[in-house]
Amino acid sequence: DTGVSQNPRHKITKRGQNVTFRCDPISEHNRLYWYRQTLGQGPEFLTYFQNEAQLEKSRLLSDRFSAERPKGSFSTLEIQRTEQGDSAMYLCASSLGQGGINTGELFFGEGSRLTVL
Amino acid sequence: AQKVTQAQTEISVVEKEDVTLDCVYETRDTTYYLFWYKQPPSGELVFLIRRNSFDEQNEISGRYSWNFQKSTSSFNFTITASQVVDSAVYFCALKEGTYKYIFGTGTRLKVLA
Repeated sequence: DTGVSQNPRHKITKRGQNVTFRCDPISEHNRLYWYRQTLGQGPEFLTYFQNEAQLEKSRLLSDRFSAERPKGSFSTLEIQRTEQGDSAMYLCASSLGQGGINTGELFFGEGSRLTVL
Repeated sequence: AQKVTQAQTEISVVEKEDVTLDCVYETRDTTYYLFWYKQPPSGELVFLIRRNSFDEQNEISGRYSWNFQKSTSSFNFTITASQVVDSAVYFCALKEGTYKYIFGTGTRLKVLA
């Protein structure tokens, strides 16, 4: 399967614990995005990487959230000291951008659903 | 600020009926892209179509068609002869600049057999 892969698919954790999600984008895609989706809402932008550089972070991303993309390949999203409000589906997407022009669609993974008890 | 509005929260139709999903957007940019995505129960958003702001030509792909009208800032999506497999949540999205994609709140389509 050469699509975007995310794991774990489901995570249940207690409030205050740390969690980490991993995203493996489509191999030739240089752009990677994290989105958060809550029930009945569309995906909300969290952060964006071009290769290994994190170029934008949403104000939605508090200091408890950190994302990395070492070597411009897979990415991790870590949430420290989870709160019940963090419960959501965390979506990863990738796209191919060339020469500063990106007209391409996003390719999404199946998401990682977080439940904070 | 850019914004995408999908006023229809949920639509139910009987199989073989035609259905139109509405999308209205706001942007100050002259160059932008519009998208439709489908999110089936499995959760993965699937790309359906992309339109750029300079191309108002309507498009048809099988049972799907899209009507882009800049004058009314709308990008509506019609499914002809709907099928049960079309049941999903459909999202309209606006892209400005290099990476910023703004999604609407989605329309849940239920196609009843």
